[in-house]
Amino acid sequence: SQELEQSPQSLIVQEGKNLTINCTSSKTLYGLYWYKQKYGEGLIFLMMLQKGGEEKSHEKITAKLDEKKQQSSLHITASQPSHAGIYLCGADVSSGYSTLTFGKGTMLLVSP
Amino acid sequence: GAGVSQSPRYKVAKRGQDVALRCDPISGHVSLFWYQQALGQGPEFLTYFQNEAQLDKSGLPSDRFFAERPEGSVSTLKIQRTQQEDSAVYLCASSLTTGSTEAFFGQGTRLTVV
Repeated sequence: SQELEQSPQSLIVQEGKNLTINCTSSKTLYGLYWYKQKYGEGLIFLMMLQKGGEEKSHEKITAKLDEKKQQSSLHITASQPSHAGIYLCGADVSSGYSTLTFGKGTMLLVSP
Repeated sequence: GAGVSQSPRYKVAKRGQDVALRCDPISGHVSLFWYQQALGQGPEFLTYFQNEAQLDKSGLPSDRFFAERPEGSVSTLKIQRTQQEDSAVYLCASSLTTGSTEAFFGQGTRLTVV
């Protein structure tokens, strides 16, 4: 089965600082999804990457999928308190209908 | 509705009690997924429906877990004779089509078995 390892497990950054979260897969990624989750809430879709080398941005968040398609990074520029939450990467297990395997998540806290 | 709706938001059950969790997906969405999220963990796949057909139930942890989507819209996840290890957040997600596409998640049902 495919496993996803996220690093770091948790992160505290000062408001305005940049940060990067990594997601490494044990197998080739056919589709990599980034979600954000606030405590007690559902998952909010951020981005989906499919092609090796692909990079997508939304507001101050940029996600990349490396050429070998086994690692993705999520970069937040000039972090704000609203960025706080748990970031989860999910991999399409290539079942044909987008069943996702998730990492354990990275908890981000942004201090004022 | 505008998004995926799950009810109840919170459920406390006594060990041995049966529970039923409801998911209202986004109207017209073909695919529906159930995930289980234990505290401090990522969501884990339970089962998948394409319309009313349950195409994958490989993630259901035991035969105490049963899911249905009889008319291809609302889905119910039923857990019989609940155990403490069933305590978790149960998340429902739906997507418009099959294949690699964005899945929209509900807010989840937090089940606590005492």
